[in-house]
Amino acid sequence: KAGVTQTPRYLIKTRGQQVTLSCSPISGHRSVSWYQQTPGQGLQFLFEYFSETQRNKGNFPGRFSGRQFSNSRSEMNVSTLELGDSALYLCASSPMTVNTEAFFGQGTRLTVV
Amino acid sequence: AQKVTQAQTEISVVEKEDVTLDCVYETRDTTYYLFWYKQPPSGELVFLIRRNSFDEQNEISGRYSWNFQKSTSSFNFTITASQVVDSAVYFCALSEAGARKSTFGDGTTLTVKP
Repeated sequence: KAGVTQTPRYLIKTRGQQVTLSCSPISGHRSVSWYQQTPGQGLQFLFEYFSETQRNKGNFPGRFSGRQFSNSRSEMNVSTLELGDSALYLCASSPMTVNTEAFFGQGTRLTVV
Repeated sequence: AQKVTQAQTEISVVEKEDVTLDCVYETRDTTYYLFWYKQPPSGELVFLIRRNSFDEQNEISGRYSWNFQKSTSSFNFTITASQVVDSAVYFCALSEAGARKSTFGDGTTLTVKP
């Protein structure tokens, strides 16, 4: 079974630009969560999608958004990039039920200059 | 609010030593789930174990063992006879019942030297 695939792996953007990150979950998994990982803040929950609906959202500004498609693939978008958005963005997929273990992708390393 | 504390930021051991990674959690729920993940240099978090709040039985899996104690709100992880390949960042996480997210600790960086 293929794992969670995130693209691209690395990205360099300029302040003020926007960026879209993609995540393909494990086949059959309908829940996709996004996390931001930084040295200063650690792993922070961004949002979770299940069956194309956002079910939970972390404490991030509205510049961070996401969506999920009918095939469970998910994208997250960050608009008006700031230097502080530089981070490793991790996507995780889970089976249908809550409180199950998550399977993570290798992440997208975003650098904002 | 839920919180996970991993007080050990970095641990360095020599191969074959035993090492214990500490995890203390806070939650007001009576039903919750605890997890351990490993993050090797490649970046992806790898699931190691899940434990629910009603199951305080300790678990052993090969060189790994976990000690869950509700009385002290701790879920510690021990690696026996550590190996260089165990070098990674280890995260403890907490998920309240029905929640669709996990709260992670800050992680413990384990370095195992040959």
